[in-house]
Amino acid sequence: EAGVAQSPRYKIIEKRQSVAFWCNPISGHATLYWYQQILGQGPKLLIQFQNNGVVDDSQLPKDRFSAERLKGVDSTLKIQPAKLEDSAVYLCASSPRGPRPNNEQFFGPGTRLTVL
Amino acid sequence: LAKTTQPISMDSYEGQEVNITCSHNNIATNDYITWYQQFPSQGPRFIIQGYKTKVTNEVASLFIPADRKSSTLSLPRVSLSDTAVYYCLVGHQGDDKIIFGKGTRLHILP
Repeated sequence: EAGVAQSPRYKIIEKRQSVAFWCNPISGHATLYWYQQILGQGPKLLIQFQNNGVVDDSQLPKDRFSAERLKGVDSTLKIQPAKLEDSAVYLCASSPRGPRPNNEQFFGPGTRLTVL
Repeated sequence: LAKTTQPISMDSYEGQEVNITCSHNNIATNDYITWYQQFPSQGPRFIIQGYKTKVTNEVASLFIPADRKSSTLSLPRVSLSDTAVYYCLVGHQGDDKIIFGKGTRLHILP
Protein backbone atom coordinates (compact mmCIF):
# COMPACT_ATOMS: atom_id res chain seq x y z
CA GLU A 1 0.00 0.00 0.00
CA ALA A 2 1.41 3.36 -1.02
CA GLY A 3 1.88 5.89 1.75
CA VAL A 4 0.98 9.55 1.92
CA ALA A 5 2.76 11.44 -0.83
CA GLN A 6 3.85 15.06 -0.54
CA SER A 7 5.61 17.41 -2.91
CA PRO A 8 7.85 19.21 -3.11
CA ARG A 9 10.13 17.82 -0.40
CA TYR A 10 12.04 21.09 -0.08
CA LYS A 11 11.24 24.68 -0.99
CA ILE A 12 13.18 27.89 -0.51
CA ILE A 13 11.45 31.21 -1.13
CA GLU A 14 11.85 34.83 -0.19
CA LYS A 15 9.46 36.56 2.17
CA ARG A 16 6.32 37.93 0.57
CA GLN A 17 6.43 35.25 -2.14
CA SER A 18 3.76 32.59 -2.52
CA VAL A 19 4.15 28.84 -2.17
CA ALA A 20 1.94 25.79 -2.52
CA PHE A 21 2.26 22.27 -1.17
CA TRP A 22 0.54 19.19 -2.50
CA CYS A 23 -0.60 16.07 -0.67
CA ASN A 24 -1.99 12.78 -1.96
CA PRO A 25 -3.38 10.72 0.95
CA ILE A 26 -3.59 6.96 1.17
CA SER A 27 -6.30 5.68 -1.15
CA GLY A 28 -9.67 5.47 0.57
CA HIS A 29 -8.73 7.63 3.54
CA ALA A 30 -11.55 10.06 4.20
CA THR A 31 -9.75 12.33 6.63
CA LEU A 32 -6.81 14.54 5.72
CA TYR A 33 -4.77 16.76 7.99
CA TRP A 34 -2.20 19.49 7.45
CA TYR A 35 0.31 20.23 10.19
CA GLN A 36 3.04 22.79 10.67
CA GLN A 37 6.11 21.63 12.57
CA ILE A 38 8.62 24.26 13.61
CA LEU A 39 12.09 23.01 14.48
CA GLY A 40 12.17 21.52 17.98
CA GLN A 41 8.40 21.51 18.44
CA GLY A 42 5.61 19.00 17.98
CA PRO A 43 3.34 19.12 14.94
CA LYS A 44 0.67 21.82 15.12
CA LEU A 45 -2.61 21.01 13.39
CA LEU A 46 -3.56 23.67 10.84
CA ILE A 47 -6.62 22.17 9.19
CA GLN A 48 -8.45 18.90 8.91
CA PHE A 49 -10.81 17.73 6.19
CA GLN A 50 -13.30 14.93 6.15
CA ASN A 51 -13.80 14.09 2.48
CA ASN A 52 -13.91 17.57 0.90
CA GLY A 53 -15.38 19.39 3.91
CA VAL A 54 -13.42 21.35 6.50
CA VAL A 55 -13.81 19.92 10.01
CA ASP A 56 -11.51 22.27 11.89
CA ASP A 57 -9.41 25.18 10.65
CA SER A 58 -9.27 27.11 13.91
CA GLN A 59 -5.47 27.23 13.93
CA LEU A 60 -5.03 28.15 10.28
CA PRO A 61 -3.79 31.77 9.83
CA LYS A 62 -6.47 32.58 7.31
CA ASP A 63 -5.05 35.94 6.32
CA ARG A 64 -2.22 34.15 4.53
CA PHE A 65 -2.87 30.40 4.54
CA SER A 66 -5.48 28.55 2.53
CA ALA A 67 -6.17 24.90 1.87
CA GLU A 68 -8.52 22.95 -0.30
CA ARG A 69 -9.48 19.38 -1.01
CA LEU A 70 -11.78 19.76 -3.95
CA LYS A 71 -12.62 16.16 -4.87
CA GLY A 72 -12.10 14.65 -1.45
CA VAL A 73 -8.75 13.15 -2.42
CA ASP A 74 -5.69 15.36 -3.09
CA SER A 75 -5.16 18.54 -1.15
CA THR A 76 -3.14 21.70 -1.54
CA LEU A 77 -1.96 24.11 1.15
CA LYS A 78 -0.99 27.61 0.06
CA ILE A 79 0.81 30.44 1.79
CA GLN A 80 0.45 33.90 0.31
CA PRO A 81 2.45 35.97 1.19
CA ALA A 82 5.05 34.04 3.17
CA LYS A 83 6.70 35.42 6.29
CA LEU A 84 10.00 34.45 7.89
CA GLU A 85 8.16 32.69 10.73
CA ASP A 86 6.52 30.32 8.24
CA SER A 87 9.81 28.45 7.92
CA ALA A 88 8.88 24.95 9.05
CA VAL A 89 8.11 21.43 7.90
CA TYR A 90 4.58 21.04 6.57
CA LEU A 91 3.23 17.57 7.19
CA CYS A 92 0.23 15.97 5.60
CA ALA A 93 -1.49 13.00 7.24
CA SER A 94 -4.51 10.89 6.45
CA SER A 95 -6.77 8.54 8.35
CA PRO A 96 -9.31 5.98 7.20
CA ARG A 97 -11.65 7.05 9.98
CA GLY A 98 -12.97 10.33 11.31
CA PRO A 99 -10.88 13.30 12.51
CA ARG A 100 -10.48 12.40 16.20
CA PRO A 101 -7.36 12.07 18.34
CA ASN A 102 -8.06 8.33 18.75
CA ASN A 103 -7.81 7.51 15.09
CA GLU A 104 -4.44 6.43 13.73
CA GLN A 105 -2.91 8.93 11.38
CA PHE A 106 -0.52 8.09 8.57
CA PHE A 107 1.97 10.85 7.89
CA GLY A 108 3.79 11.83 4.74
CA PRO A 109 7.48 12.78 4.70
CA GLY A 110 6.73 16.51 4.85
CA THR A 111 7.81 19.57 2.90
CA ARG A 112 10.59 21.62 4.43
CA LEU A 113 9.97 25.31 3.74
CA THR A 114 12.66 27.93 4.22
CA VAL A 115 11.64 31.56 3.95
CA LEU A 116 14.55 33.98 3.46
CA LEU B 1 -3.73 24.47 28.23
CA ALA B 2 -1.50 21.50 27.44
CA LYS B 3 -3.30 18.19 27.17
CA THR B 4 -0.23 16.11 27.93
CA THR B 5 3.04 16.48 29.82
CA GLN B 6 6.15 14.48 28.98
CA PRO B 7 9.84 14.77 29.87
CA ILE B 8 11.61 16.95 27.32
CA SER B 9 14.48 14.52 26.83
CA MET B 10 15.92 11.22 28.01
CA ASP B 11 19.18 9.38 27.46
CA SER B 12 19.68 5.64 27.68
CA TYR B 13 22.10 2.97 26.53
CA GLU B 14 21.71 0.23 24.00
CA GLY B 15 20.14 -2.93 25.38
CA GLN B 16 18.33 -1.20 28.23
CA GLU B 17 14.60 -0.87 28.75
CA VAL B 18 13.32 2.68 28.41
CA ASN B 19 10.13 3.97 30.02
CA ILE B 20 8.61 7.28 28.96
CA THR B 21 5.73 8.60 31.02
CA CYS B 22 3.01 10.94 29.83
CA SER B 23 0.60 12.78 32.13
CA HIS B 24 -2.92 13.48 30.85
CA ASN B 25 -5.10 14.51 33.79
CA ASN B 26 -8.13 15.50 31.71
CA ILE B 27 -8.37 12.53 29.39
CA ALA B 28 -11.85 11.98 28.03
CA THR B 29 -13.73 8.96 29.34
CA ASN B 30 -14.09 7.31 25.96
CA ASP B 31 -10.76 8.24 24.48
CA TYR B 32 -7.61 6.26 23.93
CA ILE B 33 -3.95 7.06 24.48
CA THR B 34 -1.87 6.97 21.33
CA TRP B 35 1.90 7.14 20.98
CA TYR B 36 3.80 8.25 17.88
CA GLN B 37 7.48 8.05 17.04
CA GLN B 38 9.25 10.57 14.83
CA PHE B 39 12.68 10.16 13.28
CA PRO B 40 14.57 13.18 11.89
CA SER B 41 13.32 14.30 8.48
CA GLN B 42 10.28 12.00 8.65
CA GLY B 43 6.66 12.34 9.66
CA PRO B 44 5.47 10.79 12.93
CA ARG B 45 4.64 7.09 12.90
CA PHE B 46 1.99 5.38 15.02
CA ILE B 47 3.52 2.86 17.39
CA ILE B 48 0.91 1.85 19.96
CA GLN B 49 -2.50 2.70 21.37
CA GLY B 50 -4.38 1.65 24.48
CA TYR B 51 -7.37 2.37 26.68
CA LYS B 52 -6.52 0.72 30.00
CA THR B 53 -4.20 -1.76 31.72
CA LYS B 54 -1.53 -3.05 29.34
CA VAL B 55 -1.11 -3.30 25.60
CA THR B 56 1.85 -4.93 23.88
CA ASN B 57 2.87 -5.19 20.27
CA GLU B 58 6.07 -6.07 18.44
CA VAL B 59 7.54 -2.62 19.06
CA ALA B 60 6.52 -1.52 22.55
CA SER B 61 4.30 -1.94 25.58
CA LEU B 62 1.90 0.61 26.97
CA PHE B 63 0.97 0.65 30.65
CA ILE B 64 -2.09 2.57 31.79
CA PRO B 65 -3.11 2.74 35.48
CA ALA B 66 -6.72 2.45 36.55
CA ASP B 67 -7.27 6.22 36.84
CA ARG B 68 -5.91 6.69 33.29
CA LYS B 69 -4.35 10.03 34.21
CA SER B 70 -0.99 8.90 32.94
CA SER B 71 0.55 6.27 30.71
CA THR B 72 3.99 4.76 30.27
CA LEU B 73 5.49 3.74 26.98
CA SER B 74 8.01 0.95 27.46
CA LEU B 75 10.64 0.16 24.83
CA PRO B 76 12.44 -3.12 25.57
CA ARG B 77 16.15 -3.50 24.82
CA VAL B 78 16.57 -0.28 22.87
CA SER B 79 19.05 0.12 20.05
CA LEU B 80 20.63 3.18 18.43
CA SER B 81 17.82 3.17 15.88
CA ASP B 82 15.28 3.95 18.61
CA THR B 83 16.74 7.46 18.87
CA ALA B 84 13.71 9.60 18.02
CA VAL B 85 11.08 11.91 19.44
CA TYR B 86 8.11 10.20 21.09
CA TYR B 87 4.72 11.89 21.39
CA CYS B 88 1.66 10.85 23.34
CA LEU B 89 -1.71 12.01 22.07
CA VAL B 90 -5.03 11.86 23.90
CA GLY B 91 -8.57 13.01 23.51
CA HIS B 92 -9.76 15.64 25.98
CA GLN B 93 -12.96 16.05 27.97
CA GLY B 94 -15.39 17.96 25.80
CA ASP B 95 -12.75 18.79 23.21
CA ASP B 96 -11.78 16.65 20.26
CA LYS B 97 -8.91 18.85 19.14
CA ILE B 98 -5.74 17.06 18.11
CA ILE B 99 -2.81 18.55 19.98
CA PHE B 100 0.69 17.14 19.89
CA GLY B 101 2.88 18.30 22.75
CA LYS B 102 6.60 18.85 22.45
CA GLY B 103 7.30 15.15 22.83
CA THR B 104 10.22 13.37 24.50
CA ARG B 105 13.53 13.39 22.69
CA LEU B 106 15.08 9.98 23.35
CA HIS B 107 18.78 9.61 22.71
CA ILE B 108 20.27 6.12 22.77
CA LEU B 109 23.98 5.91 23.46
CA PRO B 110 26.27 3.05 22.40
